[in-house]
Formats: sequence, structure tokens, C-alpha cells
Amino acid sequence: DVKVTQSSRYLVKRTGEKVFLECVQDMDHENMFWYRQDPGLGLRLIYFSYDVKMKEKGDIPEGYSVSREKKERFSLILESASTNQTSMYLCASRVAAVTDTQYFGPGTRLTVL
Amino acid sequence: AQKVTQAQTEISVVEKEDVTLDCVYETRDTTYYLFWYKQPPSGELVFLIRRNSFDEQNEISGRYSWNFQKSTSSFNFTITASQVVDSAVYFCALSEGGYSGAGSYQLTFGKGTKLSVIP
Repeated sequence: DVKVTQSSRYLVKRTGEKVFLECVQDMDHENMFWYRQDPGLGLRLIYFSYDVKMKEKGDIPEGYSVSREKKERFSLILESASTNQTSMYLCASRVAAVTDTQYFGPGTRLTVL
Repeated sequence: AQKVTQAQTEISVVEKEDVTLDCVYETRDTTYYLFWYKQPPSGELVFLIRRNSFDEQNEISGRYSWNFQKSTSSFNFTITASQVVDSAVYFCALSEGGYSGAGSYQLTFGKGTKLSVIP
């Protein structure tokens, strides 16, 4: 079974704080993803990593950065959290090819006050 | 550009009724993959099925079935004898398979259909 875990299910932070969201997969997948999900807007890709230390911007990278130092771990960083980053954040991983299935973690519901 | 449309925003059915969730897609590629995911209230997106563009056979898995029709660019999902545990948001998604490797990442999701099964 593919297992993708996220460090927190719920997180509350204050405006201006630096926030780290962690994602770990145990299936030796090459690719990992960060999405945010908002009502009415669906899922939007923030960043994508196709290998260790490699990353690409998705559709909405502004205000976020990522880190992938090890294959199994992909971190999303909010350098200075703002209220408009209150959202559900979903991490996913897949083997390697675009045709492969993406498997998702349980999500982190982040509230920025 | 690829696009996925799930025209039904919300559906309510009574338990044991059958329900079909519609998915219409747009793509210029001849090679592509279609997916369905389920998102229960807990929030996790659960993978249900993947289908490639060269396989138009319908698929059945227990109470779930999928009808893929290239002629109408549709990949509809039917739940037979619905149960309360089927209550969730269901997402259809598309990836174009003509290119893979670094930089190839697009999985386009529809906006989702919220299914409520009433006891």
C-alpha cells in the first residue's frame, strides 16, 4: 500500500510566521506535489518536485517555497504566512511518469489568523 | 489545453438509489489518462481508478462502475445501491501522456461533485 503522510492535520498560525508543512512517502516515488484546495477553486498545484533537489513551479507558487533534500520528504514553506493562505494543503506522490497515479496524503488544514 | 468539467456541483440521493456522476474532458492529445478520486469528509483524496485513452472497456468494481466514451469525451462514474459511506466529493482528473519526464506534471482536476447519500 502506498502511504503518504503529512505532519499535521490541523495547524493554526499567525500572520507573518514562517510555516513548514511536511510530507513523507514510503514508496520510493520520484515525483512529489503540493496542492492547495479552496471552495469553488478546486485543487491547484503549488509546486512539483521530480527528483531530489529538483523543483518546478506550479500554477500558484507565489508566497511559497519548497525543499526536497531526501527522496521521501517534500516540504512546503510559507515564508511569511498571510490570511489568504488559509486553506487545505494536500501532498501527493507518484512513481515517475505523468501517466502514473498520484497518491495523496490526508491533508493539512491551515488557518492563518 | 486540457480541461475537465464536472457539471454537477451537488447531488443528493436516498440510500440504495443508483447515482451517476458525470465527467467531460477536453484534450488535444491522443494519449491521455483519466482518473477518479474520492474525498470523504476527512479530507484525504482516495484514488479509485485510472484509465488510459486506448482502453474503452467499461470497468466494474463492486458497486462502482465507469463508462468511458471517447466519442463524447466522457468518463462517467456510477454507484449502484448507494450507501451513506459513499457520501463524499468525487473528482475526475486528466493527464496527457504524450510527454513524461522532468517538467511534465499536469494533472488537471474537475471542480468535483459533492454526493450526499441520505439514509
